[in-house]
Amino acid sequence: AQSVSQHNHHVILSEAASLELGCNYSYGGTVNLFWYVQYPGQHLQLLLKYFSGDPLVKGIKGFEAEFIKSKFSFNLRKPSVQWSDTAEYFCAVNAPMDTGRRALTFGSGTRLQVQP
Amino acid sequence: GAGVSQSPSNKVTEKGKDVELRCDPISGHTALYWYRQSLGQGLEFLIYFQGNSAPDKSGLPSDRFSAERTGGSVSTLTIQRTQQEDSAVYLCASSVAPGQGSTEAFFGQGTRLTVV
Repeated sequence: AQSVSQHNHHVILSEAASLELGCNYSYGGTVNLFWYVQYPGQHLQLLLKYFSGDPLVKGIKGFEAEFIKSKFSFNLRKPSVQWSDTAEYFCAVNAPMDTGRRALTFGSGTRLQVQP
Repeated sequence: GAGVSQSPSNKVTEKGKDVELRCDPISGHTALYWYRQSLGQGLEFLIYFQGNSAPDKSGLPSDRFSAERTGGSVSTLTIQRTQQEDSAVYLCASSVAPGQGSTEAFFGQGTRLTVV
């Protein structure tokens, strides 16, 4: 089965700092890639997704992610974080053409804490 | 409905009892997924339905766990003889079928299960 690694478990930043959260996956075939966010007390919401085309994808709230196929990576970035970005961030991957891998596989999550 | 609906939102049960968790997916979504999120952990995949069949049930942790889906809509996750380690938030998600466009998964609010 594919696996997803998020290397940063807990990140603390000050407002206006830049953010980059790492995500690596292991699967050699065609993949869809996602970043989900879970704000305190809320359900998981999609931040952005990559299916094909331009490897630099832009999502909501100023977030973007870059798919680098050669590195099996899909890192999440934001140039200037806000206090309201405090949340848990999950990277996920699936392989829609592979019956055994259509369900999303999630990383363990990164807790982002933004200090005012 | 407008979103994925799960019930109950909270369930406290005694060790050894059986519980049933319900998921009502977004209308028209043929794919349905169950995940488990334990405190401080990422999302653990349990089972994936396409229509009423489950092509991937590899994540069910033991034979105490089972799930069914009827009419291509509502799904029920059943945990028999609950154990304390079953305590977690059980999340349901739905999406259109792979190959029919976006495989973005939409999540419900979850059922918080506490086994005492």
